[in-house]
Amino acid sequence: EVQLLESGGDLVQTGGSLRLSCAASGFTFSSCAMNWVRQAPGKGLEWVSAITGSGGRTYYADSVKGRFTISRDNSKNTLYLQVNTLRAEDTAVYYCAKGREYKFYYMDVWGKGTTVTVSS
Amino acid sequence: QSALTQPASVSGSPGQSITISCTGTSSDVGTYNLVSWYQRRPGKAPELMIYDVSERPSGVSNRFSGSKSGNTASLTISGLQAEDEADYYCCSYADSSVVFGGGTKLTVL
Repeated sequence: EVQLLESGGDLVQTGGSLRLSCAASGFTFSSCAMNWVRQAPGKGLEWVSAITGSGGRTYYADSVKGRFTISRDNSKNTLYLQVNTLRAEDTAVYYCAKGREYKFYYMDVWGKGTTVTVSS
Repeated sequence: QSALTQPASVSGSPGQSITISCTGTSSDVGTYNLVSWYQRRPGKAPELMIYDVSERPSGVSNRFSGSKSGNTASLTISGLQAEDEADYYCCSYADSSVVFGGGTKLTVL
């Protein structure tokens, strides 16, 4: 069974940092692009970042560019999101989502999410 | 990277058909045939329902269909069923990024 399990969410102060993780299982991790998508309270889905299967290319939403860094360790089947200089508007549930093969823009499996709360 | 525009809500009775629109720009929907739709039932993870504008992943009912004209994509659900009640999000590739719509709440009356 294909599974994604996020962790690392927490309550942090404005300007703080966190590293989110997503443990993958049930598929060939290195063959698939991966994404982070977030949902703020009462809002819709917002794409945050994506990374190719090899990790050689990364993509970011303008709202997080320069503050967030996506990476992956294919030997550990794990996806990461380093989130720095956090702002109140980054408060959201962060989901890890598997790309449909190399097509990161189609997300065919999603995790249950990890909650990031940014407070002043 | 502005969000795609969807109606906040739509409704229909069992057996009817409904259509949800998704309006973007020439930077996303209008240029790329890389539009997808997701269903999000309460408490569940989003499910990919449509990709490549009109293709269905295996296991998705053929009651769901997608189309596109210019800068607007559409999702049509025919033969509405109670289990279709959910939030629906459109999504488009947009020059090395991805943009979602704001979501549409479908109520089955």
